[in-house]
Amino acid sequence: GQQLNQSPQSMFIQEGEDVSMNCTSSSIFNTWLWYKQDPGEGPVLLIALYKAGELTSNGRLTAQFGITRKDSFLNISASIPSDVGIYFCAGPEFDRGSTLGRLYFGRGTQLTVWP
Amino acid sequence: KAGVTQTPRYLIKTRGQQVTLSCSPISGHRSVSWYQQTPGQGLQFLFEYFSETQRNKGNFPGRFSGRQFSNSRSEMNVSTLELGDSALYLCASRRTGGAEQFFGPGTRLTVL
Repeated sequence: GQQLNQSPQSMFIQEGEDVSMNCTSSSIFNTWLWYKQDPGEGPVLLIALYKAGELTSNGRLTAQFGITRKDSFLNISASIPSDVGIYFCAGPEFDRGSTLGRLYFGRGTQLTVWP
Repeated sequence: KAGVTQTPRYLIKTRGQQVTLSCSPISGHRSVSWYQQTPGQGLQFLFEYFSETQRNKGNFPGRFSGRQFSNSRSEMNVSTLELGDSALYLCASRRTGGAEQFFGPGTRLTVL
């Protein structure tokens, strides 16, 4: 299966700081998804990217679909305590232009925000 | 619109038993995928169901099975439970042809 390498594994930052994390793949993706997971809950979709080079924002979150289609980046600006959680990148399997139901996930970035 | 729901939220079983987990997708979503999440392996794909048919399967033993009903609700079953099956089991639904998957809260399975 495809491997998604996500970094960093963990981040400890102070409230108000900006955060950057990224995800790289050995293969291309047609879509990149970013999720956040709180303890004991399922992942929540934050941002979806559909086109190489695309830059998309959702509030304080900004994500980019890498031009090579093998990477993606997520930035969080002016972090707040509720940003704490695990952030995952994911890419869906596709075949002959059709998106299939399997998502490949990175191992996650654990974000801790100190007040 | 209601989100994806999963029942039960928590389960404790012993080795050798079997378990059935349930998932109700977002209304109108016909595709349901199941994932296993463990600290060691991360999130791993189990299988996908669409229109009551399994369309895709991950690399899990045959003890893991599933099905989907005509109302798109899905169940997964694990037989002959092993200690290593302890995990958070997540289901996700998506609209036909869509890439975005929406997850339920998960079922935390503990095997003793």
